[in-house]
Amino acid sequence: NAGVTQTPKFRILKIGQSMTLQCTQDMNHNYMYWYRQDPGMGLKLIYYSVGAGITDKGEVPNGYNVSRSTTEDFPLRLELAAPSQTSVYFCASSSILLAGGGNEQFFGPGTRLTVL
Amino acid sequence: AQKVTQAQTEISVVEKEDVTLDCVYETRDTTYYLFWYKQPPSGELVFLIRRNSFDEQNEISGRYSWNFQKSTSSFNFTITASQVVDSAVYFCALPRGWGSGGYNKLIFGAGTRLAVHP
Repeated sequence: NAGVTQTPKFRILKIGQSMTLQCTQDMNHNYMYWYRQDPGMGLKLIYYSVGAGITDKGEVPNGYNVSRSTTEDFPLRLELAAPSQTSVYFCASSSILLAGGGNEQFFGPGTRLTVL
Repeated sequence: AQKVTQAQTEISVVEKEDVTLDCVYETRDTTYYLFWYKQPPSGELVFLIRRNSFDEQNEISGRYSWNFQKSTSSFNFTITASQVVDSAVYFCALPRGWGSGGYNKLIFGAGTRLAVHP
């Protein structure tokens, strides 16, 4: 049981390039999330999904896109990379929602992205 | 509005000292959960605890304890006899809740960086 896996672990992009961050979970979780963590800050939600085929924006969606074609995979696409997207990106998943939001989220190891 | 405040940016202690990390929250919900996560230097986020607003009893797990007080909207985390391995960034989190984006989305505090020196 690998939990949540992310690839790549590190990446350097040039301004204007595009890339896809991969995220896979093997816990059969309905909910998946993408966060970014800027230096010295907490996590901010980029996009989330409540199940295959259903995605929605979080707090900071501009410059990103997602898709959810399967329960397991939730890739994050960066189009036209900008220096402001330099950050650490975390994917997370959680099971069906408990009343009041009691589901713990399981996090991947993160992807450190630098845009130069 | 939903909000989580961790006023302590950084704390430095010497091994074996006790240390308390503060978390103050704001919520419009009457029922809610609160979370603590640990982010060690390796970078991954590790779930530590979840508490339901119905249960204000203190929670103890080994050297870790949590004090939840609804009257002061606080959910503080104490490490007793700290160890170097406790060095990490600790985050408190709260679901966004009804009318604020949904229970499945968490709001994280800015985190408290704890450094435990030998």
